[in-house]
Amino acid sequence: GENVEQHPSTLSVQEGDSAVIKCTYSDSASNYFPWYKQELGKGPQLIIDIRSNVGEKKDQRIAVTLNKTAKHFSLHITETQPEDSAVYFCAAINNAGNMLTFGGGTRLMVKP
Amino acid sequence: SQTIHQWPATLVQPVGSPLSLECTVEGTSNPNLYWYRQAAGRGLQLLFYSVGIGQISSEVPQNLSASRPQDRQFILSSKKLLLSDSGFYLCALGGKGRYGYTFGSGTRLTVV
Repeated sequence: GENVEQHPSTLSVQEGDSAVIKCTYSDSASNYFPWYKQELGKGPQLIIDIRSNVGEKKDQRIAVTLNKTAKHFSLHITETQPEDSAVYFCAAINNAGNMLTFGGGTRLMVKP
Repeated sequence: SQTIHQWPATLVQPVGSPLSLECTVEGTSNPNLYWYRQAAGRGLQLLFYSVGIGQISSEVPQNLSASRPQDRQFILSSKKLLLSDSGFYLCALGGKGRYGYTFGSGTRLTVV
């Protein structure tokens, strides 16, 4: 089955700096890669996703890149703000799957 | 649009008492439904998933059970709670062919 590894487990940045979270996956058939943001005491919320037919997707200050050959994808947050502080999860799934495989999560702390 | 409702938001139960958490969805039919548990500061542990009425798959052996009596209703139960059942329980909705999940707001369960 699929295995998704996520790094780092914790990340502390200064407000205004950029943050990068990286994930690797094992199943070359995976073709959809979402990212979720979970604020304290709440359920995870989808913030951006990418399909395997594109290499990069951007939405304002967040972007995701995908390298199918190396089987890794990354979340990039620019101009970080205190409200970006949360736990971020990456995930992967393929056409035949009923379940997303999640990474272990990254706790991002943005210091004002 | 699809919505997912989960209640209660918080619950404090004594050891040995029963448990029933309910999750209902709107705006979709025949969805995939999932129960996850999160220990404090940890990742998402898949407990159960269901692809249809009466169809339950268990991912980990435990003190919990799940049922899907109606298409848009998913219930997590226990006959006798253990201290180790404490955690943050999340219900998620995923449509067949729709890869992403929508998570509920979660239930914080504390077993005392």
